[in-house]
Amino acid sequence: DTAVSQTPKYLVTQMGNDKSIKCEQNLGHDTMYWYKQDSKKFLKIMFSYNNKELIINETVPNRFSPKSPDKAHLNLHINSLELGDSAVYFCASSQPGGQYTIYFGEGSWLTVV
Amino acid sequence: AQSVAQPEDQVNVAEGNPLTVKCTYSVSGNPYLFWYVQYPNRGLQFLLKYITGDNLVKGSYGFEAEFNKSQTSFHLKKPSALVSDSALYFCALGRAGSYQLTFGKGTKLSVIP
Repeated sequence: DTAVSQTPKYLVTQMGNDKSIKCEQNLGHDTMYWYKQDSKKFLKIMFSYNNKELIINETVPNRFSPKSPDKAHLNLHINSLELGDSAVYFCASSQPGGQYTIYFGEGSWLTVV
Repeated sequence: AQSVAQPEDQVNVAEGNPLTVKCTYSVSGNPYLFWYVQYPNRGLQFLLKYITGDNLVKGSYGFEAEFNKSQTSFHLKKPSALVSDSALYFCALGRAGSYQLTFGKGTKLSVIP
């Protein structure tokens, strides 16, 4: 059973399109995240939700909008996609607090052409 | 502000030899330190963490790491490298009250048969 699952795994789309990535965790965690990994493999947090409440919103364009319908789900919607949005997007979850292990999904490879 | 440094972009080691992947950190307060591994086209897998207590932490797949407060380091080690250990390794830093991890840039480990 996959602990953190995200779909789709691969996504190729044209500039200007709108796309969504869905994420679900079955670990019973209260906190969920979206991380972005760029072409140089650098990982940076985008958003964090705790009990459906947004608690971290890093400097991310307004075109990116997370939505957490419940504690087990955190979706990422991206409007007006740009070439620079091409990256791997990782969903993750943990219990709240810095000492808890964050568990990652397998990633969604987004290519904007 | 907190930061993590992985000074080596790449580490090459012969199969059967011991391996070390270096990590240093900077944070005010007590650090929570993590190691993750990423295989090609996969998500990040948790290896081990240091929260408190014994400075030597043992983790998955025979890996261990030693927390050194005076040198602000948390190097990942394994006594005998396997070809299957070849992957990208990330050191990450958390702290109390934080809802995110700060990642190092990653170190590519290549184990040569």
